Amino acid sequence: NAGVTQTPKFQVLKTGQSMTLQCAQDMNHNSMYWYRQDPGMGLRLIYYSASEGTTDKGEVPNGYNVSRLNKREFSLRLESAAPSQTSVYFCASTDLSPHEQYFGPGTRLTVT
Amino acid sequence: SQQGEEDPQALSIQEGENATMNCSYKTSINNLQWYRQNSGRGLVHLILIRSNEREKHSGRLRVTLDTSKKSSSLLITASRAADTASYFCATAPLSSPVYPGNQFYFGTGTSLTVIP
Repeated sequence: NAGVTQTPKFQVLKTGQSMTLQCAQDMNHNSMYWYRQDPGMGLRLIYYSASEGTTDKGEVPNGYNVSRLNKREFSLRLESAAPSQTSVYFCASTDLSPHEQYFGPGTRLTVT
Repeated sequence: SQQGEEDPQALSIQEGENATMNCSYKTSINNLQWYRQNSGRGLVHLILIRSNEREKHSGRLRVTLDTSKKSSSLLITASRAADTASYFCATAPLSSPVYPGNQFYFGTGTSLTVIP
């Protein structure tokens, strides 16, 4: 039982490049989330998927797109990376009870 | 922003002492949770307190919630060097769907250092 897995762990992009961050969970959770973590800002919600087939914007969705591929997988895409998107990205999942979120190990992204 | 704020931003104590950190938030909530993050790792859930609860215990952790003041505190008793980490509160706003799609808003974190 791996929990929540994320790939890649590290990535360096040049401004304007695109990439997709992958997330998968094996806990049969319905809801999945993408956050970014910046120093002094805590975690901010980018997008979330309440259940398979649905996605919604969070606090900071600009510059990102998401796909809920199936119940297990939720990907985050940067179409044209900008230096402001340099951050650590976390994927999380949760289910009805007890509402706790399970986090992946994170992807450290640097955009130069 | 509905984000909460932890206080203090950083805390350094000796092993065996108690550590207290506080969280303030802005909107009415369904529940409040505390998470721990070790350096370079993902967040790990510690404890959840519902809006109709005032205090909750789990091992060496004690959480209080004051909804009238929109604040919570996390007390770690008899701290250990292994407790060194950042601690975050997360709130599930009342305005957010309970399930599915419950949203969480995280605070800015308290960095705790426990000196052996």
